[in-house]
Amino acid sequence: QQPVQSPQAVILREGEDAVINCSSSKALYSVHWYRQKHGEAPVFLMILLKGGEQKGHEKISASFNEKKQQSSLYLTASQLSYSGTYFCGTRRGFGNEKLTFGTGTRLTIIP
Amino acid sequence: GAVVSQHPSRVICKSGTSVKIECRSLDFQATTMFWYRQFPKQSLMLMATSNEGSKATYEQGVEKDKFLINHASLTLSTLTVTSAHPEDSSFYICSAPTGGSTDEQFFGPGTRLTVL
Repeated sequence: QQPVQSPQAVILREGEDAVINCSSSKALYSVHWYRQKHGEAPVFLMILLKGGEQKGHEKISASFNEKKQQSSLYLTASQLSYSGTYFCGTRRGFGNEKLTFGTGTRLTIIP
Repeated sequence: GAVVSQHPSRVICKSGTSVKIECRSLDFQATTMFWYRQFPKQSLMLMATSNEGSKATYEQGVEKDKFLINHASLTLSTLTVTSAHPEDSSFYICSAPTGGSTDEQFFGPGTRLTVL
């Protein structure tokens, strides 16, 4: 079953913060975050492995709550270049296990 | 990072014709590759898992006789859309896991198929 993301869409002014959530009904091994611009392939942002880790860099980070089967992506002091559709992808195992994409969150940053 | 290429990037064809899309892992070997389809304003939906040396595994609702997958080598998988119809128009993307400790999958740039 497809992971559910919230919100579906959000509009921010440049410099504001955003949180995008990803929730799965199944136990997860890893969560992957991608950003996709219109007409392009998804661009990898980061992976979180089970263990409740949080990672990222200064302005884009994420957390993974393995017990709740949820992950959140944090965008701080958003820039115009952050606009796009964000997808989480979940895997239930390692190696050749398939990646299932979430429903997506469309983020629009305005000046 | 690892590189995955796709060819062609765009294709326009007439209804009833077949279209072949290639997916190559350029600097690593991939025993498994994945094929996704994305309709406008929707998420990427997995169509099938391509396995080198064995038959592809199709997701529920995907017609295996219409979407032929061949994993010819450890670096090449092809998706052939047979007897294409306008409803097959979509963005097709392949990906491959590197199998390393990072658990990362690398995506190709995608192929935009338009069936007239």
